[in-house]
Amino acid sequence: AQTVTQSQPEMSVQEAETVTLSCTYDTSENNYYLFWYKQPPSRQMILVIRQEAYKQQNATENRFSVNFQKAAKSFSLKISDSQLGDTAMYFCAFMKLDSGGSNYKLTFGKGTLLTVNP
Amino acid sequence: GAGVSQSPSNKVTEKGKDVELRCDPISGHTALYWYRQSLGQGLEFLIYFQGNSAPDKSGLPSDRFSAERTGGSVSTLTIQRTQQEDSAVYLCASSLVTGGHTQYFGPGTRLTVL
Repeated sequence: AQTVTQSQPEMSVQEAETVTLSCTYDTSENNYYLFWYKQPPSRQMILVIRQEAYKQQNATENRFSVNFQKAAKSFSLKISDSQLGDTAMYFCAFMKLDSGGSNYKLTFGKGTLLTVNP
Repeated sequence: GAGVSQSPSNKVTEKGKDVELRCDPISGHTALYWYRQSLGQGLEFLIYFQGNSAPDKSGLPSDRFSAERTGGSVSTLTIQRTQQEDSAVYLCASSLVTGGHTQYFGPGTRLTVL
C-alpha cells in the first residue's frame, strides 16, 4: 500500500516571500502521478500542480513549482511571491497507475495548513 | 464549462436516519470517485465508478454505505442508519480515464449526525 507523509501540519509565510511545503511518499511502484491540491476555507479542492513520475523535469505552473526527487521519494511544493489568496490547506496526493485496471484513486497526505500573512 | 456539483451542501440528521448525497460529475467524465474527509482520518477513498459499474468498493467503511451511478452520470451515496462517526465532509471527484486522470473535485457535502 502507498503512504503519503506531510511532516509540516502548519506553516506561515509573509506576503511576497517564498515557501516550500514538504511531501514524502512510500511506494514500490515505478509508474505513478503525484499531485498537490489546495483546499481553501470554501472546501473546494483545487488542483495546483501535477507530476508524472516518468518525467525528470520538474513541473511548474506560474508561481508554483515542484522539486521531484524520485529516488528519495520526495515531492515538495515551492510557492513563490506568496499571495494572501494562497492561504489554504495543501494536500499532497499519490496516484498509482494500475495497468491491470482503471481505478486511479488518490492517496492523500494529512495536509499542511499554510497561512500567508500581510 | 460546469464543474462537479454536489448536493446538499450541508446535511444535519439524527442518529439512525438514512441520508442520500448526490454528485453530478463533469459532463463526459466516465470515472467518478467518492472520498470522505474527517478530522481524525484525513481524506479516505470510498468507492470508484467506471461508467455505471463500481469495480472498487474497498473503501466503504461498512455495509451501511452504498452508492450507485445511473446513466454514466449522476451518483448517489447512501448511508443507512447513520452514526455519529459518519459525520464528515463527503467529496466527489470525476476524471477522464484517458488524458492524465486528473481528478476534479466538487465542493463537498458536510454531514453532521446528531
